[in-house]
Amino acid sequence: GAVVSQHPSRVICKSGTSVKIECRSLDFQATTMFWYRQFPKQSLMLMATSNEGSKATYEQGVEKDKFLINHASLTLSTLTVTSAHPEDSSFYICSAWKGSSGGAGETQYFGPGTRLLVL
Amino acid sequence: AQSVTQLDSHVSVSEGTPVLLRCNYSSSYSPSLFWYVQHPNKGLQLLLKYTSAATLVKGINGFEAEFKKSETSFHLTKPSAHMSDAAEYFCVVSYDNQGGKLIFGQGTELSVKP
Repeated sequence: GAVVSQHPSRVICKSGTSVKIECRSLDFQATTMFWYRQFPKQSLMLMATSNEGSKATYEQGVEKDKFLINHASLTLSTLTVTSAHPEDSSFYICSAWKGSSGGAGETQYFGPGTRLLVL
Repeated sequence: AQSVTQLDSHVSVSEGTPVLLRCNYSSSYSPSLFWYVQHPNKGLQLLLKYTSAATLVKGINGFEAEFKKSETSFHLTKPSAHMSDAAEYFCVVSYDNQGGKLIFGQGTELSVKP
């Protein structure tokens, strides 16, 4: 299967600082990347959809000015948590989707996740 | 609204016994259905997927699932559980008009007792 990496895997930061998380598709070009957050013992919650070269589409309730997403190329998307606070502590997961060639059945490939802890 | 329901938040089985993780979806459209597994502090790994071909889908690690349109179900099964199967399992649905968006079930935690 295709490989998606995330960096860093774990980050601890002070309240008020910004943190950037990278998501890379290593062996394929991803038309679309998705960003999720997951709280302990809960399911994944979609935050935003990121298409290469265009603005991200945010889900209802997700602050676009707080969670900045950039999809500069077909293999890289970044999520920046700006002015992080303790309540932003979570597990952030990205996924990469090749696009509509396979329709809805086209598999999304998930990164290993980034554990963010804001002190 | 389109949704996915995993009927059990936690399932516990003994090693060597069958596994059944239940999933129902609600929609009048034809879905694509997936099962993903997540081990602690890890990303998601695809177990199998249904995309309107054969209704019985075989996946990795001995798992399989059957798409039953009349019951709007896509239950995951395995004949014999292994200790390494202990993880969180997510039933996921996607539709052609959603631009690749996935709708996740709540997850089922599978425990395997020795």
